Amino acid sequence: GAVVSQHPSWVICKSGTSVKIECRSLDFQATTMFWYRQFPKQSLMLMATSNEGSKATYEQGVEKDKFLINHASLTLSTLTVTSAHPEDSSFYICSARRLSEAFFGQGTRLTVV
Amino acid sequence: QQQVKQSPQSLIVQKGGISIINCAYENTAFDYFPWYQQFPGKGPALLIAIRPDVSEKKEGRFTISFNKSAKQFSLHIMDSQPGDSATYFCAASPDGSSNTGKLIFGQGTTLQVKP
Repeated sequence: GAVVSQHPSWVICKSGTSVKIECRSLDFQATTMFWYRQFPKQSLMLMATSNEGSKATYEQGVEKDKFLINHASLTLSTLTVTSAHPEDSSFYICSARRLSEAFFGQGTRLTVV
Repeated sequence: QQQVKQSPQSLIVQKGGISIINCAYENTAFDYFPWYQQFPGKGPALLIAIRPDVSEKKEGRFTISFNKSAKQFSLHIMDSQPGDSATYFCAASPDGSSNTGKLIFGQGTTLQVKP
Protein backbone atom coordinates (compact mmCIF):
# COMPACT_ATOMS: atom_id res chain seq x y z
CA GLY A 1 0.00 0.00 0.00
CA ALA A 2 0.86 3.65 -0.16
CA VAL A 3 3.15 5.11 2.48
CA VAL A 4 2.38 8.06 4.69
CA SER A 5 5.12 9.12 7.05
CA GLN A 6 4.87 11.32 10.12
CA HIS A 7 7.61 13.06 12.00
CA PRO A 8 8.37 13.11 14.84
CA SER A 9 6.99 9.90 16.34
CA TRP A 10 6.96 11.46 19.75
CA VAL A 11 7.71 14.87 21.20
CA ILE A 12 7.77 16.40 24.64
CA CYS A 13 7.47 20.14 24.92
CA LYS A 14 7.06 22.73 27.61
CA SER A 15 3.75 24.42 28.18
CA GLY A 16 3.45 27.59 26.12
CA THR A 17 5.74 26.50 23.30
CA SER A 18 4.75 25.47 19.78
CA VAL A 19 5.27 22.10 18.16
CA LYS A 20 5.26 21.25 14.46
CA ILE A 21 4.31 17.81 13.16
CA GLU A 22 5.03 16.82 9.57
CA CYS A 23 3.05 14.44 7.41
CA ARG A 24 4.45 13.26 4.10
CA SER A 25 3.06 11.08 1.37
CA LEU A 26 6.16 9.23 0.23
CA ASP A 27 5.11 7.55 -2.98
CA PHE A 28 2.14 9.53 -4.20
CA GLN A 29 0.85 13.06 -4.39
CA ALA A 30 -1.92 14.07 -2.02
CA THR A 31 -3.91 17.22 -2.68
CA THR A 32 -5.87 16.46 0.47
CA MET A 33 -4.64 15.21 3.81
CA PHE A 34 -6.48 14.71 7.06
CA TRP A 35 -5.43 15.31 10.65
CA TYR A 36 -6.87 13.26 13.49
CA ARG A 37 -6.52 13.32 17.23
CA GLN A 38 -6.84 10.25 19.38
CA PHE A 39 -7.09 10.09 23.15
CA PRO A 40 -6.16 6.87 24.99
CA LYS A 41 -8.60 4.04 24.35
CA GLN A 42 -10.75 6.27 22.17
CA SER A 43 -11.51 6.57 18.50
CA LEU A 44 -9.95 8.88 15.95
CA MET A 45 -11.53 12.30 15.86
CA LEU A 46 -11.11 14.28 12.66
CA MET A 47 -9.63 17.70 13.39
CA ALA A 48 -9.22 19.18 9.95
CA THR A 49 -8.87 18.59 6.25
CA SER A 50 -5.69 19.95 4.77
CA ASN A 51 -5.92 21.20 1.19
CA GLU A 52 -2.84 21.80 -0.92
CA GLY A 53 -2.54 25.45 -1.84
CA SER A 54 -5.56 26.61 0.12
CA LYS A 55 -6.85 26.99 3.65
CA ALA A 56 -7.58 23.99 5.78
CA THR A 57 -11.12 23.06 6.68
CA TYR A 58 -11.57 22.60 10.41
CA GLU A 59 -14.15 20.44 12.13
CA GLN A 60 -16.57 22.03 14.53
CA GLY A 61 -15.00 22.75 17.89
CA VAL A 62 -11.38 22.70 16.68
CA GLU A 63 -9.53 25.95 17.29
CA LYS A 64 -8.03 27.18 14.05
CA ASP A 65 -5.57 29.48 15.78
CA LYS A 66 -4.29 26.73 18.04
CA PHE A 67 -3.90 24.03 15.42
CA LEU A 68 -2.29 25.65 12.39
CA ILE A 69 -2.25 23.58 9.25
CA ASN A 70 -0.13 24.22 6.19
CA HIS A 71 -0.20 22.14 3.04
CA ALA A 72 2.44 23.79 0.94
CA SER A 73 3.20 20.94 -1.44
CA LEU A 74 1.54 17.87 -2.86
CA THR A 75 3.47 15.61 -0.50
CA LEU A 76 3.71 17.58 2.74
CA SER A 77 1.22 18.84 5.29
CA THR A 78 2.20 20.24 8.67
CA LEU A 79 0.25 20.64 11.88
CA THR A 80 1.55 23.19 14.36
CA VAL A 81 0.18 23.11 17.87
CA THR A 82 0.64 26.66 19.09
CA SER A 83 1.04 27.69 22.71
CA ALA A 84 0.68 24.08 23.76
CA HIS A 85 -0.86 23.20 27.10
CA PRO A 86 -1.06 19.88 28.94
CA GLU A 87 -4.61 19.32 27.66
CA ASP A 88 -3.18 19.27 24.12
CA SER A 89 -1.27 16.12 24.99
CA SER A 90 -2.57 13.45 22.67
CA PHE A 91 -1.80 11.14 19.77
CA TYR A 92 -1.99 13.01 16.46
CA ILE A 93 -2.35 11.05 13.24
CA CYS A 94 -2.38 12.19 9.64
CA SER A 95 -3.92 10.46 6.67
CA ALA A 96 -3.99 10.73 2.91
CA ARG A 97 -6.09 8.96 0.36
CA ARG A 98 -4.75 7.34 -2.77
CA LEU A 99 -7.04 5.72 -5.31
CA SER A 100 -9.77 6.43 -2.73
CA GLU A 101 -8.15 4.26 -0.05
CA ALA A 102 -6.99 6.05 3.09
CA PHE A 103 -3.54 5.45 4.49
CA PHE A 104 -2.34 6.65 7.86
CA GLY A 105 0.93 7.84 9.26
CA GLN A 106 2.42 6.15 12.30
CA GLY A 107 1.20 8.91 14.57
CA THR A 108 2.89 11.47 16.81
CA ARG A 109 2.64 11.24 20.57
CA LEU A 110 2.67 14.79 21.95
CA THR A 111 3.26 15.31 25.65
CA VAL A 112 3.09 18.83 27.01
CA VAL A 113 4.68 19.32 30.42
CA GLN B 1 -26.40 11.21 10.63
CA GLN B 2 -22.63 11.33 10.49
CA GLN B 3 -22.13 8.71 13.18
CA VAL B 4 -20.89 5.19 12.78
CA LYS B 5 -21.80 2.97 15.73
CA GLN B 6 -19.51 0.06 16.50
CA SER B 7 -19.98 -2.90 18.81
CA PRO B 8 -18.86 -4.58 20.94
CA GLN B 9 -16.47 -2.28 22.75
CA SER B 10 -14.29 -5.24 23.68
CA LEU B 11 -14.11 -8.85 22.64
CA ILE B 12 -12.28 -11.90 23.94
CA VAL B 13 -11.93 -14.89 21.63
CA GLN B 14 -10.08 -18.15 21.94
CA LYS B 15 -7.35 -18.94 19.44
CA GLY B 16 -8.87 -20.47 16.34
CA GLY B 17 -12.26 -18.92 16.96
CA ILE B 18 -14.19 -16.39 14.92
CA SER B 19 -14.13 -12.73 15.92
CA ILE B 20 -17.12 -10.68 14.81
CA ILE B 21 -17.35 -6.90 15.04
CA ASN B 22 -20.40 -4.97 13.91
CA CYS B 23 -20.99 -1.45 12.68
CA ALA B 24 -24.10 0.51 11.77
CA TYR B 25 -24.54 3.81 10.02
CA GLU B 26 -27.34 6.25 9.24
CA ASN B 27 -26.09 8.33 6.34
CA THR B 28 -27.11 6.71 3.07
CA ALA B 29 -24.55 8.86 1.28
CA PHE B 30 -21.75 6.72 2.74
CA ASP B 31 -20.30 4.63 -0.04
CA TYR B 32 -16.97 3.36 1.22
CA PHE B 33 -16.55 1.19 4.31
CA PRO B 34 -13.03 0.28 5.43
CA TRP B 35 -11.82 -1.58 8.49
CA TYR B 36 -8.62 -0.64 10.25
CA GLN B 37 -6.37 -2.46 12.71
CA GLN B 38 -4.43 -0.45 15.24
CA PHE B 39 -1.71 -1.59 17.61
CA PRO B 40 -0.80 0.53 20.66
CA GLY B 41 1.25 3.57 19.73
CA LYS B 42 0.82 3.03 16.00
CA GLY B 43 -1.34 4.53 13.32
CA PRO B 44 -4.27 2.54 11.93
CA ALA B 45 -3.52 0.11 9.12
CA LEU B 46 -6.07 -0.65 6.44
CA LEU B 47 -7.28 -4.25 6.65
CA ILE B 48 -10.06 -4.52 4.12
CA ALA B 49 -12.69 -2.28 2.59
CA ILE B 50 -15.99 -2.68 0.79
CA ARG B 51 -18.31 -0.63 -1.36
CA PRO B 52 -22.11 -0.90 -1.33
CA ASP B 53 -22.34 -2.68 -4.66
CA VAL B 54 -21.21 -5.96 -3.11
CA SER B 55 -22.52 -7.83 -0.07
CA GLU B 56 -19.34 -9.59 0.94
CA LYS B 57 -15.62 -9.30 0.47
CA LYS B 58 -13.00 -11.72 1.65
CA GLU B 59 -9.27 -11.27 1.96
CA GLY B 60 -7.47 -14.12 3.64
CA ARG B 61 -8.91 -14.62 7.12
CA PHE B 62 -10.79 -11.31 7.02
CA THR B 63 -14.30 -10.98 5.61
CA ILE B 64 -16.58 -7.97 5.43
CA SER B 65 -20.32 -8.60 5.25
CA PHE B 66 -22.40 -5.67 4.08
CA ASN B 67 -26.17 -5.24 4.42
CA LYS B 68 -27.19 -2.13 2.54
CA SER B 69 -30.87 -2.24 3.47
CA ALA B 70 -30.07 -2.55 7.17
CA LYS B 71 -27.21 -0.06 6.91
CA GLN B 72 -24.91 -2.44 8.72
CA PHE B 73 -21.56 -4.01 8.03
CA SER B 74 -19.40 -6.39 9.95
CA LEU B 75 -15.88 -7.75 10.11
CA HIS B 76 -15.31 -11.45 10.59
CA ILE B 77 -11.87 -12.70 11.54
CA MET B 78 -11.63 -16.42 10.95
CA ASP B 79 -9.17 -18.64 12.82
CA SER B 80 -8.31 -15.78 15.17
CA GLN B 81 -4.70 -15.69 16.36
CA PRO B 82 -3.03 -14.02 19.34
CA GLY B 83 -1.30 -11.71 16.86
CA ASP B 84 -4.71 -10.38 15.89
CA SER B 85 -5.06 -8.85 19.35
CA ALA B 86 -5.45 -5.15 18.60
CA THR B 87 -8.04 -2.43 18.33
CA TYR B 88 -10.27 -2.53 15.28
CA PHE B 89 -12.09 0.44 13.82
CA CYS B 90 -14.76 0.51 11.21
CA ALA B 91 -15.17 3.67 9.18
CA ALA B 92 -17.34 5.15 6.49
CA SER B 93 -16.91 7.85 3.91
CA PRO B 94 -19.52 9.83 2.03
CA ASP B 95 -17.22 10.25 -0.92
CA GLY B 96 -15.53 6.95 -1.29
CA SER B 97 -14.63 7.28 -4.92
CA SER B 98 -12.49 10.34 -4.43
CA ASN B 99 -9.35 11.17 -2.57
CA THR B 100 -10.95 14.03 -0.70
CA GLY B 101 -13.74 12.37 1.23
CA LYS B 102 -13.21 12.28 4.97
CA LEU B 103 -13.61 9.13 7.04
CA ILE B 104 -15.97 8.87 9.97
CA PHE B 105 -14.76 6.29 12.50
CA GLY B 106 -16.60 3.94 14.78
CA GLN B 107 -15.77 3.85 18.47
CA GLY B 108 -13.37 0.93 18.18
CA THR B 109 -13.29 -2.65 19.44
CA THR B 110 -10.46 -4.02 21.51
CA LEU B 111 -9.92 -7.63 20.55
CA GLN B 112 -8.02 -10.06 22.72
CA VAL B 113 -7.30 -13.50 21.34
CA LYS B 114 -6.37 -15.95 24.07
CA PRO B 115 -3.85 -18.68 23.23
